[in-house]
Amino acid sequence: QITLKESGPMLVKPTQTLTLTCTFSGFSLSAGPLGVGWIRQTPGKALQWLSLVYSNGDKEYNPSLKSRVTITKDTSKNQVVLTMTNMDPVDTATYYCARRQGAPHYGFDYWGHGILVTVSS
Amino acid sequence: DIQMTQSPSTLSASVGDRVVISCRASQNIDKWLDWYQQKPGKAPNLLIYMASTLESGVPSRFSGSGSETDFTLTISSLQPDDFATYYCQQHKSYPLTFGGGTKVEIK
Repeated sequence: QITLKESGPMLVKPTQTLTLTCTFSGFSLSAGPLGVGWIRQTPGKALQWLSLVYSNGDKEYNPSLKSRVTITKDTSKNQVVLTMTNMDPVDTATYYCARRQGAPHYGFDYWGHGILVTVSS
Repeated sequence: DIQMTQSPSTLSASVGDRVVISCRASQNIDKWLDWYQQKPGKAPNLLIYMASTLESGVPSRFSGSGSETDFTLTISSLQPDDFATYYCQQHKSYPLTFGGGTKVEIK
C-alpha cells in the first residue's frame, strides 16, 4: 500500500522559514524512475507545482519561487523535505506531496492528504 | 511558462448527462497532459495521463482526447460521485502547470 503524509507547522509568521516533511511508504526513492513533488493549493483553489526530486537525485524547481525553495530527500527515512524561506501571507495554502511516475506515465498517481499552512503574524 | 486554460470554469449538469471539459495549452505540449478530479477537502486524484490513458481503477465513463494545444475530458454519463472539480496539468516542460479548474455542479 502506497501512502504519503505531510507534516510540519500549520502556522508560521511572515519572514519565517517553512519546513515541511513528506513521509512515504510502499515505494522507494532510491532507484527507478520515480519522483516526489510538492504542489500547493491556494484558498482560491489554484494549484501550483513547487518542486520535484527524483530517485536519481535530480531536482526541479518552479522559477516563480526563485531561490526560496529547497527540496531534499532522505532515502533511509523515506522522506522528502521542502524548505521555503521568507514566508508571506500569500503563501497561505494547502501543501501536498505526491509521487510522480516515470515513463511512460509521468502523472502524480499518489497524493498525501495535504497540510494547511497559514502565514500570519 | 506554459499557460493552461480550462473552460468552462463552472458547469451545471444532471445525472446521466454527457459532460465535456476543455483545456487549452498556450503552446504545443504534444500529449503531455494529465487530468485530475478533486472533491472538497481531498487531494486531487489522477484520472487520465498522457492525454488519453485511463489510470488504473478509474471508471470507463471517463475519457480524454486531444493533442498539441487542445484537449478534452469527457464523462459519458455523469454519476452522483462525479460532482467535483477537474484540473488539467501539463508536463511537457518545467514549470509544471495546472489549469484553473472546472467545477461540475448539480443542475
